Amino acid sequence: GAGVSQSPSNKVTEKGKDVELRCDPISGHTALYWYRQSLGQGLEFLIYFQGNSAPDKSGLPSDRFSAERTGGSVSTLTIQRTQQEDSAVYLCASSPPGLAGQEQYFGPGTRLTVT
Amino acid sequence: AQKITQTQPGMFVQEKEAVTLDCTYDTSDQSYGLFWYKQPSSGEMIFLIYQGSYDEQNATEGRYSLNFQKARKSANLVISASQLGDSAMYFCAMRTRGGKLIFGQGTELSVKP
Repeated sequence: GAGVSQSPSNKVTEKGKDVELRCDPISGHTALYWYRQSLGQGLEFLIYFQGNSAPDKSGLPSDRFSAERTGGSVSTLTIQRTQQEDSAVYLCASSPPGLAGQEQYFGPGTRLTVT
Repeated sequence: AQKITQTQPGMFVQEKEAVTLDCTYDTSDQSYGLFWYKQPSSGEMIFLIYQGSYDEQNATEGRYSLNFQKARKSANLVISASQLGDSAMYFCAMRTRGGKLIFGQGTELSVKP
């Protein structure tokens, strides 16, 4: 079956522009996560969607970052007025419901470069 | 505060030998999960092994085993019979009560032929 997909795979943008990153989770997965990985660093949690519950936005670094999940499936992470420090790989993950939902399945990531 | 610590930025191991990657964690939660992920140079995050905080047996998955010492709050990954394809970054992570993962800084493993 298809895994988590993300688009675009690479994005170069100028400082100050807005960008949208897309995540298609595995079909049937109710939980969706966004993480950020800066060069040579571990992964930093950004936001978490679980079913119809209010998202956990506790990891968003500033109000320039926002995310939505439509129809309990596809998610879009939006970064407004991008800064150079936003350059990173943005990873999306999903997990199935219930006790089986321990493992998070990761997408290939979007590499964002802000020039 | 919840935290994952990986104290080995880089490790070398000879092909076919076993290697242990260290991971310690800090949490006040009683229920949590511990994971190891592998990230090769291609960038994908590959799930290796999972240990629940209430699991009494150490988790094993093929050549991977997790040495879980709850009292010491450690969850070391043991890779037996290392292969060249094991060369990658390895991340230890903890699943919090809210569901998100907290990651360590990673250990870069290099397997020598």
